[in-house]
Amino acid sequence: EVQLLESGGGLVQPGGSLRLSCAASGFTFSSYAMSWVRQAPGKGLVWVSGINDSGGSTNYADSVKGRFTISRDNSKNTLYLQMNSLRADDTAVYYCARGVRSYDSSGYSYWGQGTLVTVSS
Amino acid sequence: QSALTQPASVSGSPGQSITISCTGTSSDVGGYDYVSWYQQHPGKAPKLMIFDVSHRPSGVSNRFSGSKSGNTASLTISGLQAEDEADYYCSSYTSTSTCVFGGGTKVTVL
Repeated sequence: EVQLLESGGGLVQPGGSLRLSCAASGFTFSSYAMSWVRQAPGKGLVWVSGINDSGGSTNYADSVKGRFTISRDNSKNTLYLQMNSLRADDTAVYYCARGVRSYDSSGYSYWGQGTLVTVSS
Repeated sequence: QSALTQPASVSGSPGQSITISCTGTSSDVGGYDYVSWYQQHPGKAPKLMIFDVSHRPSGVSNRFSGSKSGNTASLTISGLQAEDEADYYCSSYTSTSTCVFGGGTKVTVL
């Protein structure tokens, strides 16, 4: 059974940092692209960042470019999102999602349960 | 990276068919056959219903179908059932190697 388990969310002050993790199991992690997608309270889905199977290719939404860094450790079956210079509008549930293929193509076949990030003073 | 355009709401009676549109540009929907559709019930994670414009993942009902014409993709739900009431989102790969979602459509079963 495919499982994606996010962790690392919480309350952080504006300007602060957080690192989200997503532990994957039930599939060959190193064969699939992975992405982070967020959803602000009561709002729609927003793509944040994606990484290919090897980790050699990463992409970011303009709203987080230069502040967030996506990475993966295929030996640990874990996806990460390092979030710096956090702002109030980064407040959202962050989902980890597995792609349908080795490169990101907007199709995400499995999703975690999400982890809430709240940026507030 | 402007969001794809979806109608805010669509409704139908049980047994009817409804169609949700998703309009983008030639830099996303119109340029690639990488359009996906997701169903999200309140408080739950999204579920992939369609990928690569018209492909259904294993386990998804064949009442759900996808298509694309030009810069507009569509999701059709036939034989509408009460359990189909949810929010639906489209997404597309883009020319900048990113992905973009639509604003979401609330489907109501009357």
